[in-house]
Amino acid sequence: EDQVTQSPEALRLQEGESSSLNCSYTVSGLRGLFWYRQDPGKGPEFLFTLYSAGEEKEKERLKATLTKKESFLHITAPKPEDSATYLCAVYAGGTSYGKLTFGQGTILTVHP
Amino acid sequence: DADVTQTPRNRITKTGKRIMLECSQTKGHDRMYWYRQDPGLGLRLIYYSFDVKDINKGEISDGYSVSRQAQAKFSLSLESAIPNQTALYFCATSGGTSFYEQYFGPGTRLTVT
Repeated sequence: EDQVTQSPEALRLQEGESSSLNCSYTVSGLRGLFWYRQDPGKGPEFLFTLYSAGEEKEKERLKATLTKKESFLHITAPKPEDSATYLCAVYAGGTSYGKLTFGQGTILTVHP
Repeated sequence: DADVTQTPRNRITKTGKRIMLECSQTKGHDRMYWYRQDPGLGLRLIYYSFDVKDINKGEISDGYSVSRQAQAKFSLSLESAIPNQTALYFCATSGGTSFYEQYFGPGTRLTVT
């Protein structure tokens, strides 16, 4: 069974204080790992797809990296508007064909 | 205009009532999904459809049914609502060469009293 674990559950940062969120996964044959941002009461917003170990993607203050067992979402010099829940999901194909497995999310709060 | 829309955005209903949540998309995707989100439980898949004639149960389909009226429309019904179906419901779509990248609608907040 595919499993995704995100840590920490919640992270509080001061504006400008860089940090990383972790997504550990257990799947048979990773086909893709996805990061989403979700604001309270809204739908998840797609951020990145990573396909293979060593791959990196960047968008503004966010950089996502992937290894064979985990992914990191690095936040550089965060601003209060980066506050949100960040979700990680994996796609493994096979018996999970067409379906994503989501982690519980990390709630990020950035204080001014 | 949003690519994935959901109606209604908020709904309060009573136990035992039938309710339908609707989803429409203009992304041209062939795959559509219904999820519910509860605090502490994350996103859980209710039903998914890979095309108009292909509908599949997800991990928590009991108490729900769906209808794929067209490629762009996918509805979720609660035949007899119960309080533990109170949750945020999201529709998502995917398609094309990156068919596993899912794009979500804004959600429906459903309260069953």
